[in-house]
Amino acid sequence: GAGVSQTPSNKVTEKGKYVELRCDPISGHTALYWYRQSLGQGPEFLIYFQGTGAADDSGLPNDRFFAVRPEGSVSTLKIQRTERGDSAVYLCASSLNAGVGNEQFFGPGTRLTVL
Amino acid sequence: AQSVTQLDSQVPVFEEAPVELRCNYSSSVSVYLFWYVQYPNQGLQLLLKYLSGSTLVKGINGFEAEFNKSQTSFHLRKPSVHISDTAEYFCAVSDGGYQKVTFGTGTKLQVIP
Repeated sequence: GAGVSQTPSNKVTEKGKYVELRCDPISGHTALYWYRQSLGQGPEFLIYFQGTGAADDSGLPNDRFFAVRPEGSVSTLKIQRTERGDSAVYLCASSLNAGVGNEQFFGPGTRLTVL
Repeated sequence: AQSVTQLDSQVPVFEEAPVELRCNYSSSVSVYLFWYVQYPNQGLQLLLKYLSGSTLVKGINGFEAEFNKSQTSFHLRKPSVHISDTAEYFCAVSDGGYQKVTFGTGTKLQVIP
């Protein structure tokens, strides 16, 4: 079956611009997670959705970052007024539900480069 | 707060030799531990997980890990590595609930022919 997909695979933008990153989870998965992986680091939790609602957005670094999941499936991570420090690989994962025993399946990521 | 330390950023090993990738964690409550693998240009894939029960956990591709509560460790081992095991390996911890996972900085395993 289809795994988690993310588009675009690469995004190059200029400082100050707005970007949207999309995540298509595995069909039927109610939980969706966003992570950010900077060079030489492990993935860092950003936000988690259960259904349509953001259950925990404590990992979002500041108010320039926002994510939505309006219909409980596809999610979009939005970054306003991008900064060079936002450059990273943004990973999306989904799981059947939010229980701890449920494996998170990761997408290939979107590599964001802010010039 | 939970955290993970992977002491080795890179581990070179000859093909068919054994390997151990080290992971130490800290958490104030019960822990759930994971090892993920990231092959070049691919997404993270779960290798194995410890939730409860037996402290020796077997995963995919011949890997296993042992949960040691007294040493707060969860080292990953494989008795004989293959070229295809060349990848980056991440140890991760969750204190439960909805799997808010904290990852280590990763260990790059380089298998030398």
